[in-house]
Amino acid sequence: GEDVEQSLFLSVREGDSSVINCTYTDSSSTYLYWYKQEPGAGLQLLTYIFSNMDMKQDQRLTVLLNKKDKHLSLRIADTQTGDSAIYFCAKKEAGTASKLTFGTGTRLQVTL
Amino acid sequence: DVKVTQSSRYLVKRTGEKVFLECVQDMDHENMFWYRQDPGLGLRLIYFSYDVKMKEKGDIPEGYSVSREKKERFSLILESASTNQTSMYLCASSTQTGVQPQHFGDGTRLSIL
Repeated sequence: GEDVEQSLFLSVREGDSSVINCTYTDSSSTYLYWYKQEPGAGLQLLTYIFSNMDMKQDQRLTVLLNKKDKHLSLRIADTQTGDSAIYFCAKKEAGTASKLTFGTGTRLQVTL
Repeated sequence: DVKVTQSSRYLVKRTGEKVFLECVQDMDHENMFWYRQDPGLGLRLIYFSYDVKMKEKGDIPEGYSVSREKKERFSLILESASTNQTSMYLCASSTQTGVQPQHFGDGTRLSIL
C-alpha cells in the first residue's frame, strides 16, 4: 500500500525558517495536504496543493512539490512559538472516496 | 465554519466492555471517517462511510464496527474493548467534490484498563 514518510522531530529557533519534509511512494494523486495538530486537539488544515502544481505560497507558508522525486515540503517563514505542534502531510489518492493517507507526523519544537 | 464534535474528550473503560464513540458534523458532509492516532504511527484509518447506512473498512478495522443511521452522525463501536485499543480516536468529515479536505474533531483519548 501507499507509504507516506516524515521525520519525527524538528527543532528550530524562533525567527528562523522551518522546513518539514514528506516523501511518498505512490505517484497517483490529486491533492496533497498539510495539517497542524496542537496539543490535545484535532487536526487543522493548513494548506493544500494540487498535484499539477509545483509551488503554493500562503502568507508564511510555502509548499513545494517535486513529483519526480515524490517529495513534498512545508516551509514556515519566521517561525514563532505558536507554531510548535505536530505537522502531518496527507495524500488523496486518485479515484478513492476522499480517502487520505497520512504521514507519521513531524513534531516541530520552537526554541527561544 | 465546519464543526465536527466528538462526544467525549476523555474516556476510561474496562477490558471487555462495549464502548461507543460518537461523532456529529454540522456541514451536511457525505463522507465521515474514524482514525486512531498512536505515537510514531501517525493516523490510521479504521472505517469510513460515504453515505447513510454505508460503511467501508479502512486499514485497521479489526475489533471495531461502525454505525451511520443519520447523515450527520457516525459512531465507532468497540465490541469488546481490549488494552491495545487504548489510543486517541479522531473523527473527520468531508464533501465528495472539490478539494475535499477532511475536517477533524478534537479527538477522544480512550484508556482501556
